[in-house]
Amino acid sequence: AQKVTQAQTEISVVEKEDVTLDCVYETRDTTYYLFWYKQPPSGELVFLIRRNSFDEQNEISGRYSWNFQKSTSSFNFTITASQVVDSAVYFCALMPGNTPLVFGKGTRLSVIA
Amino acid sequence: DAGVIQSPRHEVTEMGQEVTLRCKPISGHNSLFWYRQTMMRGLELLIYFNNNVPIDDSGMPEDRFSAKMPNASFSTLKIQPSEPRDSAVYFCASSWASGRSSYEQYFGPGTRLTVT
Repeated sequence: AQKVTQAQTEISVVEKEDVTLDCVYETRDTTYYLFWYKQPPSGELVFLIRRNSFDEQNEISGRYSWNFQKSTSSFNFTITASQVVDSAVYFCALMPGNTPLVFGKGTRLSVIA
Repeated sequence: DAGVIQSPRHEVTEMGQEVTLRCKPISGHNSLFWYRQTMMRGLELLIYFNNNVPIDDSGMPEDRFSAKMPNASFSTLKIQPSEPRDSAVYFCASSWASGRSSYEQYFGPGTRLTVT
């Protein structure tokens, strides 16, 4: 079975704090892709990152970084020096092979000024 | 690129009426997906197409829902008759897929449907 678990339902941080959003996945496929999407209050879903199962290198993009660890089936997302504009619901998703996305339930991040 | 285009952005209708949601995928993408988002159930895949062919419609709630993709640049999701429990945000997404390689899905802005 394919499954994505985002155990943190809601997180609140004060601006400029670092915050990590957890994502744990389950799949029996050896080839799969992992994604993070952001859904700001305006409602659209914004693609942030795609990572394939053969590439465990961490990635950094500005204040965003992602830590992929196959040994623990985790793909965590860290925002450094959070800003109010980072307030959104963040979804982790799994795509086993060439099949549709399986989404987690999302983590609502509130960054307080 | 204009991104995925959905219309209408908002739809309010009465129970029993037919509702048609429209989607134009990103040019060059060969996969199209319809999702529904509610507070209770989160993001659910309803149906997806590859090269205009429906591949998996197991997520379609019931026979009142139907989807078509007559060509590579247009898809519709129809609900007939609509019911209040169909109220949700419906997203269309598109991507490029080839063999076992898949790429990120880009989502449209969504259609907020309210059935009274």
